[in-house]
Amino acid sequence: QVQLVQSGAEVKKPGSSVKVSCKASGGTFSSYTISWVRQAPGQGLEWMGRIIPILGIANYAQKFQGRVTITADKSTSTAYMELSSLRSEDTAVYYCARMTTVVNYYFDYWGQGTLVTVSS
Amino acid sequence: QSALTQPRSVSGSPGQSVTISCTGTSSDVGGYNYVSWYQQHPGKAPKLMIYDVSKRPSGVPDRFSGSKSGNTASLTISGLQAEDEADYYCCSYAGSYTFVVFGTGTKVTVL
Repeated sequence: QVQLVQSGAEVKKPGSSVKVSCKASGGTFSSYTISWVRQAPGQGLEWMGRIIPILGIANYAQKFQGRVTITADKSTSTAYMELSSLRSEDTAVYYCARMTTVVNYYFDYWGQGTLVTVSS
Repeated sequence: QSALTQPRSVSGSPGQSVTISCTGTSSDVGGYNYVSWYQQHPGKAPKLMIYDVSKRPSGVPDRFSGSKSGNTASLTISGLQAEDEADYYCCSYAGSYTFVVFGTGTKVTVL
């Protein structure tokens, strides 16, 4: 059974950075991709970017280019999402989600979510 | 890339059917057979309900079905049950540059 377990809630100051982790268990970490999706309070889902661990390649939504960095550590089956230059609008729940292969375009497993609050 | 358009809310009585539309463009919904649907209960992570337009993952009741015509995809819930009350989001592959785009979300209310 695949599980994605994320790190705990964070409170950050505007202008700072946050790094959220997503540890996978079950399945073969390197064979699938991990995306990050965020959801602002009362709002919809927004795809931020993804990483292909076996290749070490990440690609990002245009909106977040230059501000987000997604990495993966194959030795610990953990993906990371770092968002910099935080502003109040970045207050949201951040989810990691799995796509089973590079050419499957649906998210079959999700992490439990990590609330990031940006406040002075 | 704009979000896919969904109705803000739909409602139905137990046992009835409801259909949620998801309208995009030829660059996303209309261009690929990679539409998926997610159910989200309050405070919970989304759950995959339909993928590749009309396929159901193991464990999802067959009262959930998906279809697509042109630039519009649809999710139908037949035999509505109380536990189906939730938010539903569509998602479509949109090419290698944009990758995926989500819908605006629809709240389903069971009367």
